[in-house]
Amino acid sequence: AQSVAQPEDQVNVAEGNPLTVKCTYSVSGNPYLFWYVQYPNRGLQFLLKYITGDNLVKGSYGFEAEFNKSQTSFHLKKPSALVSDSALYFCAVRERAAGNKLTFGGGTRVLVKP
Amino acid sequence: GAVVSQHPSWVICKSGTSVKIECRSLDFQATTMFWYRQFPKQSLMLMATSNEGSKATYEQGVEKDKFLINHASLTLSTLTVTSAHPEDSSFYICSARDSRDSSNQPQHFGDGTRLSIL
Repeated sequence: AQSVAQPEDQVNVAEGNPLTVKCTYSVSGNPYLFWYVQYPNRGLQFLLKYITGDNLVKGSYGFEAEFNKSQTSFHLKKPSALVSDSALYFCAVRERAAGNKLTFGGGTRVLVKP
Repeated sequence: GAVVSQHPSWVICKSGTSVKIECRSLDFQATTMFWYRQFPKQSLMLMATSNEGSKATYEQGVEKDKFLINHASLTLSTLTVTSAHPEDSSFYICSARDSRDSSNQPQHFGDGTRLSIL
């Protein structure tokens, strides 16, 4: 069975500082990995994905993530955080052999302080 | 980009009533749609996978007779919470995959429906 762990419930960072949101995954085969962001009372917005190829993936709003197969991690990063980045972030995995089903991590709340 | 419209965005109703939530793909066709439930400050839990023209596939622990799913067209899936009770209060989110997309493409999410049962 596939699973995702986001070890931090909340991450606090000052505006302009680097932001990292951690994610580790567990699948029996090769994964498709995704990051989504959720603002209050809204659905999820897609940020980026890793399918294959370069381990460093660039996405929307200046976010990027690095796929690390040996550590089974897919941490989300942004070099310089904005107050508007404050939101709930979800990592998700879909095993290629598992059909369409996405499994989400528990979410990490990011608070960027001015 | 692909847009998923979910309606209503907020509903408050009395215990015992049934509530229907609609999920529409506006600019693409979706053979498969997904229904999630999200409790406050928690992650999304997949309730069921909605398949156009066939029965939905429910996750373990989700009552089929309680949460009725209909996917009668390639652009519309509905979730009906039957005889709703306060414990059914939650944030319900749908998502859809473009039928033309390969399996490595992301799902597109609606903005969710906040259901409050009094």
